[in-house]
Amino acid sequence: EPEVTQTPSHQVTQMGQEVILRCVPISNHLYFYWYRQILGQKVEFLVSFYNNEISEKSEIFDDQFSVERPDGSNFTLKIRSTKLEDSAMYFCASSQLAGGSRDEQYFGPGTRLTVT
Amino acid sequence: GNSVTQMEGPVTLSEEAFLTINCTYTATGYPSLFWYVQYPGEGLQLLLKATKADDKGSNKGFEATYRKETTSFHLEKGSVQVSDSAVYFCALYGGRGSQGNLIFGKGTKLSVKP
Repeated sequence: EPEVTQTPSHQVTQMGQEVILRCVPISNHLYFYWYRQILGQKVEFLVSFYNNEISEKSEIFDDQFSVERPDGSNFTLKIRSTKLEDSAMYFCASSQLAGGSRDEQYFGPGTRLTVT
Repeated sequence: GNSVTQMEGPVTLSEEAFLTINCTYTATGYPSLFWYVQYPGEGLQLLLKATKADDKGSNKGFEATYRKETTSFHLEKGSVQVSDSAVYFCALYGGRGSQGNLIFGKGTKLSVKP
């Protein structure tokens, strides 16, 4: 069964450093997403990506964040200068085969980011 | 704006007990409703969904009915197993004026003891 994969599973970085979180969505899916979950809090939407551009983003997704689909398979989230409050579990998701339903989003296992 | 509220955990049950995890939502329009499950060390998995009022989603013995009159989507299972131990997330998608993303509740951790 196809699945979304994410690397690394755990990333530790120092405040102010840049990090790139990587995801391989399900092939043939059209929409890609990043969510995050700060420990003990809700899973929050960050950004969605379609047709090689951002389609929606939340207030959390400020200028420190960027997303990219550098090739036909990877989907990355970059945080330019990490802050302590960026420590969270980051989930990648993908959805919608052509003609299918966008609301069924398939999630990866997450990357736990720890900023020290 | 749209939001989801689910019961606080953790919930601890004995095997074969009846499970209810409450979920209520606030939304305008007609959102789709979901339950996701996260087993230890894994990602979020879609457990079940319902797309309109009075629909019942079901999977693996779990059920939830979309109740528009009470804006609820409570998760139930008649007889839980140890393997059901996980975190359960209620979520909504859509509704008038919403972005095309899922809105989640905080999650409820379920522990089932043998």
